[in-house]
Amino acid sequence: DGGITQSPKYLFRKEGQNVTLSCEQNLNHDAMYWYRQDPGQGLRLIYYSQIVNDFQKGDIAEGYSVSREKKESFPLTVTSAQKNPTAFYLCATGDYFRSQETQYFGPGTRLLVL
Amino acid sequence: KQEVTQIPAALSVPEGENLVLNCSFTDSAIYNLQWFRQDPGKGLTSLLLIQSSQREQTSGRLNASLDKSSGRSTLYIAASQPGDSATYLCAVPPWGFGNEKLTFGTGTRLTIIP
Repeated sequence: DGGITQSPKYLFRKEGQNVTLSCEQNLNHDAMYWYRQDPGQGLRLIYYSQIVNDFQKGDIAEGYSVSREKKESFPLTVTSAQKNPTAFYLCATGDYFRSQETQYFGPGTRLLVL
Repeated sequence: KQEVTQIPAALSVPEGENLVLNCSFTDSAIYNLQWFRQDPGKGLTSLLLIQSSQREQTSGRLNASLDKSSGRSTLYIAASQPGDSATYLCAVPPWGFGNEKLTFGTGTRLTIIP
């Protein structure tokens, strides 16, 4: 079954805690992205990675960190520095070298603060 | 900075009617324009991608048009069905970035009334 897997579906964070959201893909895509979606707002880009061992900040990177050690995986850590982390987080992939194609999205992780 | 607007934020129409969703963008230097569908609590599904050199794209009952000079795109849905109920988002990448740095609109929530 090909596609993008995000886990967990729901995640609860306590004050001062770092949490990590998982994103795995088997589409063999080079590029991977993390977006945040808040009610009434469009998706906003947090980080993106075009190739392994390289990533770039998006529009709202503060309070987040990522790594890209494998082509298939692009985990996102929400650190304690992110003061308003409650949101729906979406991971996406794309074929960087075929820019006429769209991005493909995972099912999302909803992060809630306790 | 590119801004993408979708009006109205919500739309309800009876089943069987044809309808048009609107997307406006401020910077006409775009690589392409993409339409996505999002069901509640789910990820995004790509519907149509229009290259900057194209005027329209069709897929089944969906037809998307692009007018770069006026900064507008429309998504036409023919013979609407209850299964079309979802939020529809448009997105544009800036010229030269391929599919990187997509800027999303806030979406139109469509309800088809049986």
